[in-house]
Amino acid sequence: QVQLQESGPGLVKPSQTLSLTCTVSGDSIISFFYSWNWLRQPAGKGLEWIGRVYSSGSTNYNPSLKSRLTMSVDTSKNQFSLRLSSVTAADTAVYYCARDSERVARAMDVWGQGTTVTVSS
Amino acid sequence: DIQMTQSPSSLSASVGDRVTITCRAGQAIDTYLNWYQQKPGEAPNLLIYAASSLQSEVPSRFSGSGSGTDFTLTITSLQPEDFATYYCQQTYTTPRTFGQGTRVEIK
Repeated sequence: QVQLQESGPGLVKPSQTLSLTCTVSGDSIISFFYSWNWLRQPAGKGLEWIGRVYSSGSTNYNPSLKSRLTMSVDTSKNQFSLRLSSVTAADTAVYYCARDSERVARAMDVWGQGTTVTVSS
Repeated sequence: DIQMTQSPSSLSASVGDRVTITCRAGQAIDTYLNWYQQKPGEAPNLLIYAASSLQSEVPSRFSGSGSGTDFTLTITSLQPEDFATYYCQQTYTTPRTFGQGTRVEIK
């Protein structure tokens, strides 16, 4: 059974770079069927899609964050990563990694448990 | 971006009730519409994909319908474990976008 687990600092200072990693277990990250997504959810609010990366390294980003975003994949470690630069308090949220699958019309069928990131000095 | 609008934003219902949540897309999205359930402190869980296909291991009391711009999630005979927030999401194009959520509360 495939599982995703986010990891990274829970506290980031304003203007610095937020870096998170998602480790995939139970299946290979290399697949034509899947892409690997990051989403976030501020406390008490809805879900925002940040972007996705394929195992080839190809990416799609949310235009609202594109200028600050970098996503990458490390197939040797079965991991994918998010870097968000120049963070502000508005970037404080629970960050989720999730798999989307062609088998379910690109819906997100596997999610990590989420990790809380607070931007504060 | 494709705007997704859910209604209602919240509702109160009793165990055994039939509940209907609607989602409207800002443009036609064929059947590229998914529904998720989220409980407090947990990640979202996929219920319905492609507007009407039930995800594996999801109870059959959940069903979805619609195409184009108007979609519906129905829960027949609401159970105690169904009290949660429900989100629709379009996967017609990027950026993926979600509805604002519908909170289903105990009456």
